Amino acid sequence: AQTVTQSQPEMSVQEAETVTLSCTYDTSESDYYLFWYKQPPSRQMILVIRQEAYKQQNATENRFSVNFQKAAKSFSLKISDSQLGDAAMYFCAPLIQGAQKLVFGQGTRLTINP
Amino acid sequence: EPEVTQTPSHQVTQMGQEVILRCVPISNHLYFYWYRQILGQKVEFLVSFYNNEISEKSEIFDDQFSVERPDGSNFTLKIRSTKLEDSAMYFCASSEETSYAVHEQFFGPGTRLTVL
Repeated sequence: AQTVTQSQPEMSVQEAETVTLSCTYDTSESDYYLFWYKQPPSRQMILVIRQEAYKQQNATENRFSVNFQKAAKSFSLKISDSQLGDAAMYFCAPLIQGAQKLVFGQGTRLTINP
Repeated sequence: EPEVTQTPSHQVTQMGQEVILRCVPISNHLYFYWYRQILGQKVEFLVSFYNNEISEKSEIFDDQFSVERPDGSNFTLKIRSTKLEDSAMYFCASSEETSYAVHEQFFGPGTRLTVL
């Protein structure tokens, strides 16, 4: 069974600073994908970034980037130049190739201090 | 930009009553999903639906739950006899064909279900 661990229930960062949210997962599969979703107070789930496990290059999406360590089963999210609008719950979620369900971690609540 | 829509945004019901939560997935998507999030907890997978049948379901998705695509646009989740512990945010999601590639799941804004 898949498990996803987000060890930081809460994080805070000063506006314009950089913050890294950690995620580790456990799977015996070799072909999978990893996603970070953001859930602002509106509770809408918004995709932030995705990473294919077969790709060695870390995904980047504007101010968001990941540090994917496949052997360590680690998938951290780095937010650069933090903005007030980044304040939200962030969920890490793997998805196995051929399966359909996302498995979410417990989430990290990110606060941005002005 | 196309989006997943859900109605109602908030549903209040009495324990034991039936509720139907409605979703309109993105029009060219073929896979549909329901997830739920109990307040303060993580998001949990309930069921996936493809080609007019359930393709995968979790242990949460017992006989009290059912899904249906009654027409070409709507996707519904029915809870036959609600319990207090069914109170949660229910998210609908959809994605393109996933047989040969993994596609992003687009989430709707959710329906907050409160069971009294």
